[in-house]
Amino acid sequence: SQTIHQWPATLVQPVGSPLSLECTVEGTSNPNLYWYRQAAGRGLQLLFYSVGIGQISSEVPQNLSASRPQDRQFILSSKKLLLSDSGFYLCAWSVGVEVETQYFGPGTRLLVL
Amino acid sequence: GQNIDQPTEMTATEGAIVQINCTYQTSGFNGLFWYQQHAGEAPTFLSYNVLDGLEEKGRFSSFLSRSKGYSYLLLKELQMKDSASYLCAVMDSNYQLIWGAGTKLIIKP
Repeated sequence: SQTIHQWPATLVQPVGSPLSLECTVEGTSNPNLYWYRQAAGRGLQLLFYSVGIGQISSEVPQNLSASRPQDRQFILSSKKLLLSDSGFYLCAWSVGVEVETQYFGPGTRLLVL
Repeated sequence: GQNIDQPTEMTATEGAIVQINCTYQTSGFNGLFWYQQHAGEAPTFLSYNVLDGLEEKGRFSSFLSRSKGYSYLLLKELQMKDSASYLCAVMDSNYQLIWGAGTKLIIKP
């Protein structure tokens, strides 16, 4: 069966500091991978998605970036965090083309102070 | 623009039935998803509708009317553990998911 891991679970960072969140998927090959952010009381906002190693599509211009160095690893980064980067970051995976169900990791709660 | 509307919050009684509505306006339609999200946790998949009609899965059912841009999630025999947010999401013509803000469901004994 497939499992998805994210770490850390919780993170408190000062404004201007760097960020690295990691997501790994087990039990499947060549998954589509997604990074979402969820602000309190708002819908999920798609940040990045990837259909393969080194292939990243950005949905929202911002100070965040993503990388996919391995088939089942997806990393979300920032060089300098802003207060507005606080939120619940979710990684998700799916397999197949076009219509497919997305399955979410446990999430990372980020608080920027 | 693309828009998904759901009520912000609903309250229901344990053992009762509740219907959570979702209306959408999107660029194309490739299906509608319902997810459940407990506080502080990740969303978990509940159902997928792409054709009009009702899909039943145990205590949960989901209905879709494409001509009306409307769906609902029906929860029967409510249990305290059903207290959660319910997220409606539509897959648009680019196969991207557009998410509603979610409906927080509060179950009272």
